[in-house]
Parts: sequence; C-alpha cells; structure tokens
Amino acid sequence: NAGVTQTPKFQVLKTGQSMTLQCAQDMNHNSMYWYRQDPGMGLRLIYYSASEGTTDKGEVPNGYNVSRLNKREFSLRLESAAPSQTSVYFCASRVASSYNSPLHFGNGTRLTVT
Amino acid sequence: AQKVTQAQTEISVVEKEDVTLDCVYETRDTTYYLFWYKQPPSGELVFLIRRNSFDEQNEISGRYSWNFQKSTSSFNFTITASQVVDSAVYFCALSEPYSSSGSARQLTFGSGTQLTVLP
Repeated sequence: NAGVTQTPKFQVLKTGQSMTLQCAQDMNHNSMYWYRQDPGMGLRLIYYSASEGTTDKGEVPNGYNVSRLNKREFSLRLESAAPSQTSVYFCASRVASSYNSPLHFGNGTRLTVT
Repeated sequence: AQKVTQAQTEISVVEKEDVTLDCVYETRDTTYYLFWYKQPPSGELVFLIRRNSFDEQNEISGRYSWNFQKSTSSFNFTITASQVVDSAVYFCALSEPYSSSGSARQLTFGSGTQLTVLP
C-alpha cells in the first residue's frame, strides 16, 4: 500500500528553469493538496483540488500552477523557478474535502533553486 | 482568521523525561477540528491524532496524551517517559468548516516544535 507517492525526491534547478512535481495517491481519495515547508513557517498551502476536475488557490499560489490529471494524480508546475521557491514540497490527500478528515502526506520533494 | 501558534521552537530533554508541546489556536468558529502530526528526521509527515471542538475529553495513547482546553484555546501534547525515537518536529493544525477567504476546510499548521530527546 503505497499511499501518496511524490517524484522526484530531490531536484536542483537554475533560476528560470521549469519543472513539474508529480504526485499520485492510491487510496481513492477525492481531495489533494500541495504544501511547501520552509524553516520556521510550518506548512503553507499552495494549491488544492477538492475533487477531480476542480483546483483552487491556497495561501501562496504565486509562481505555481497545478493540474488534477485524474482522481489519482495532482501535479505542481513551476514555470520559471526562482530562488524563493527553494523549499520542501509535500503533496497530501484526504478522503473528502471535509474539515474533519486528516491529511495523508507523501514523503516530500526537496527543491533547490540556484 | 484562523491561526495556530506553537511558541516552543525547540525543546531538548533527556530520555525518560516527560515533555509537553504547547499549541494555541485562534478561530471564530464554534465547530472545528485540531490535529497533531509528527515529522521524524526522515522527513515524512505522520498523522497522530484528531480532536473535534465538542470533545474536551483528554485522550491517551500509550506514552502520548493530549489535553484539549477550549476555554484557553489550547491543545497540548504530552509525551511521557520520552525516548530517542520521539525526536522529531511536531506540528499542530486547525481545520475549520470555512476559512476567512471562503475556501473550504483547509488545514492551518503551526510553525512546529523541534523535539530532541537525548540518550
């Protein structure tokens, strides 16, 4: 039972390069999320998808785009990476966009932008 | 607006000591959920517990216990007889039916407490 799988685990980009972070879950969850984790700031929501076919901005969406490819997959794209996007990125899912559901997280992607 | 404060940035204890991690939250809602997550050095985030705002009964799970006090807006986490394997970053999170921006049901995380248990 893989849960939430993120790829890649590590990535180094140069300023201006683009890349896509992949996320897939096999728990038949409806809702999926992208967070970034920075020292001293906890986890901040970038984008989320309450259900297949919908996406919405979170707290820090600037510089990112997302695609909910199907129920299982939710990707995060950086079109023109900036050093401020150096962070650890976590994908998460939960059964439904319900405030009592816990999030299940992937293992994270550590991104460095030089 | 919802907010979660974990004032203890870092805590260091010696093995077998008890330790309490503080979590204070702000919300306008009367209905909400609180969560605790653990992030060990390996980096993954592990769900520990969920508590709804109508249930103020303390919960104990092995060496872990949680004290929810609505009157002080706190949801503190105590580890009894700490072990080296408890070393991790611990996050408290709040989930309301609706956020101030109108988006539904998002988790707001505190900044985390780094717990180090020394042998």
